[in-house]
Amino acid sequence: DAGITQSPRHKVTETGTPVTLRCHQTENHRYMYWYRQDPGHGLRLIHYSYGVKDTDKGEVSDGYSVSRSKTEDFLLTLESATSSQTSVYFCAISDRRGQGETQYFGPGTRLLVL
Amino acid sequence: QQQVKQSPQSLIVQKGGIPIINCAYENTAFDYFPWYQQFPGKGPALLIAIRPDVSEKKEGRFTISFNKSAKQFSLHIMDSQPGDSATYFCAASRSGRGKLIFGQGTELSVKP
Repeated sequence: DAGITQSPRHKVTETGTPVTLRCHQTENHRYMYWYRQDPGHGLRLIHYSYGVKDTDKGEVSDGYSVSRSKTEDFLLTLESATSSQTSVYFCAISDRRGQGETQYFGPGTRLLVL
Repeated sequence: QQQVKQSPQSLIVQKGGIPIINCAYENTAFDYFPWYQQFPGKGPALLIAIRPDVSEKKEGRFTISFNKSAKQFSLHIMDSQPGDSATYFCAASRSGRGKLIFGQGTELSVKP
């Protein structure tokens, strides 16, 4: 998985609780992304980062926030988890933003919100 | 809303068959079209990609066909094997924007 780890790999939580997912890379890639994967929807971009402290929203950012204080770490926070946020979350990295960029994905975090 | 529409949602073929997965896009500014392969419990991995200046690209048993005028592209898997059973995603992006727009995914099962 191209030097990408995600933690935790599985989490069960209750509605209304805060949840933080961590993505850690050892590739020193500049760009990092958070996606959620749901049946029938493919992969949808939540937030992404161009570099340290430089982030932007994706297509499904409501209810999520991110932070990137170091090149290697990108955190995704659900401030108050809801059942609609039950999903599989993937982190991805890339080393350039241009024509033909390849994104490398982590192993995913399976989140269940009860 | 920029979209990439993928079909079929699921596909079952016999070993040696040629499954074909189709994608259509709307934004004519897209200029990079990758396909990702995902096995159960794993993250997606880049399989093959094409740019709109060519109509076809082959890598091993995998071929992308691209029709710019129709805004469609497809993945063909020659001599499919049970090990090709996976979920396949098409995607599209625009140079310099760094954001991939994914299709809904196709779950492929190759029967022995």
